[in-house]
Amino acid sequence: DTGVSQDPRHKITKRGQNVTFRCDPISEHNRLYWYRQTLGQGPEFLTYFQNEAQLEKSRLLSDRFSAERPKGSFSTLEIQRTEQGDSAMYLCASSPSGESPGETQYFGPGTRLLVL
Amino acid sequence: GENVEQHPSTLSVQEGDSAVIKCTYSDSASNYFPWYKQELGKRPQLIIDIRSNVGEKKDQRIAVTLNKTAKHFSLHITETQPEDSAVYFCAAGYFSGAGSYQLTFGKGTKLSVIP
Repeated sequence: DTGVSQDPRHKITKRGQNVTFRCDPISEHNRLYWYRQTLGQGPEFLTYFQNEAQLEKSRLLSDRFSAERPKGSFSTLEIQRTEQGDSAMYLCASSPSGESPGETQYFGPGTRLLVL
Repeated sequence: GENVEQHPSTLSVQEGDSAVIKCTYSDSASNYFPWYKQELGKRPQLIIDIRSNVGEKKDQRIAVTLNKTAKHFSLHITETQPEDSAVYFCAAGYFSGAGSYQLTFGKGTKLSVIP
């Protein structure tokens, strides 16, 4: 499968615990996005990487959230001290450079987080 | 920031009929408009997109139209089939100014195709 992959697919944790999710983008894509999707809503932008540089973070990304893309390939999203309000689907997407206007984003299957 | 409104929120059609979903956007700087289909528990899948330099695009039973003046775009599905049943999201894309190209999504339309 040459699409975007995410791991784990499901995570159940207790409030206050830390969780980490991984995203592997399509190999030739240098742009990577994290989104959050809650029930009945569209995906909401969290953060963006171009290669290893994190260029933008949404106001939705509180101080408890941190994302990395250390070698410009896979990315991790960590949530510290989880809260019940963090329960959601976390989606990763990647896109190639060079399209104009607009960049086609391809989504991974998501990690569904449930905080008890 | 950009705001995308999507209507209707639910849509039921008989198999073989057409379905139309409409979206409006607020930021004239948006220049890319993709449509995603999401089945329950699965990833959003791009089904068609349109860029601001064209007004209409077709791919077999699916078409999208864009009216930049009115800031609205629509998805048209003809000859609907039960497998078209899913949630459909529209989105508007723009450069944020901080270096990223952002998509703002609508809230989705749940399409049910009745056999």
